[in-house]
Amino acid sequence: NAGVTQTPKFQVLKTGQSMTLQCAQDMNHEYMSWYRQDPGMGLRLIHYSVGAGITDQGEVPNGYNVSRSTTEDFPLRLLSAAPSQTSVYFCASSYRGYEQYFGPGTRLTVT
Amino acid sequence: KQEVTQIPAALSVPEGENLVLNCSFTDSAIYNLQWFRQDPGKGLTSLLLIQSSQREQTSGRLNASLDKSSGRSTLYIAASQPGDSATYLCAMEYGNKLVFGAGTILRVKS
Repeated sequence: NAGVTQTPKFQVLKTGQSMTLQCAQDMNHEYMSWYRQDPGMGLRLIHYSVGAGITDQGEVPNGYNVSRSTTEDFPLRLLSAAPSQTSVYFCASSYRGYEQYFGPGTRLTVT
Repeated sequence: KQEVTQIPAALSVPEGENLVLNCSFTDSAIYNLQWFRQDPGKGLTSLLLIQSSQREQTSGRLNASLDKSSGRSTLYIAASQPGDSATYLCAMEYGNKLVFGAGTILRVKS
């Protein structure tokens, strides 16, 4: 089992550029989510999905899009990058009501 | 709005000491509670999960308790070691969402 994988590990973008952060899990978990971690702010939920074809917003969804076409994959799209989106992004997955497994993170810098 | 608070924000102890990390939450309608460890520059590693019907969980030198009525959880670490140095995060699950505390930075001195 690879667990939860994220690509890329590091990314630098210029303001206004778009990109997709990839997340995949091989544990057949129905629940997947995206968080951002900022100093002094802790981890905050961006978007989540309870199964293929079902997504919903978390605490800080503005500027991000998600889709869930398969159980395994849950990509996060930045539509037009802004410096405020400089952060570390984590993807997580779980069975409902069980422990959540986190990926290693993507460090994003927007200049 | 659900909020999770962790106290203390940082803690430095000598090796071998027993210690307690605290977590409090404002909404008792939690589904479960999870404690994580995060090493610098790394992802989160799950330590313990307590479901809402449970009061505590143990794994090795770690014991976590949950008191929904008082809105509190504690993580007890016995006989601390330098390898325990990390940031410890608690998170409450409400519906389909995890709400995190800001974490406690633990340093165990040898």
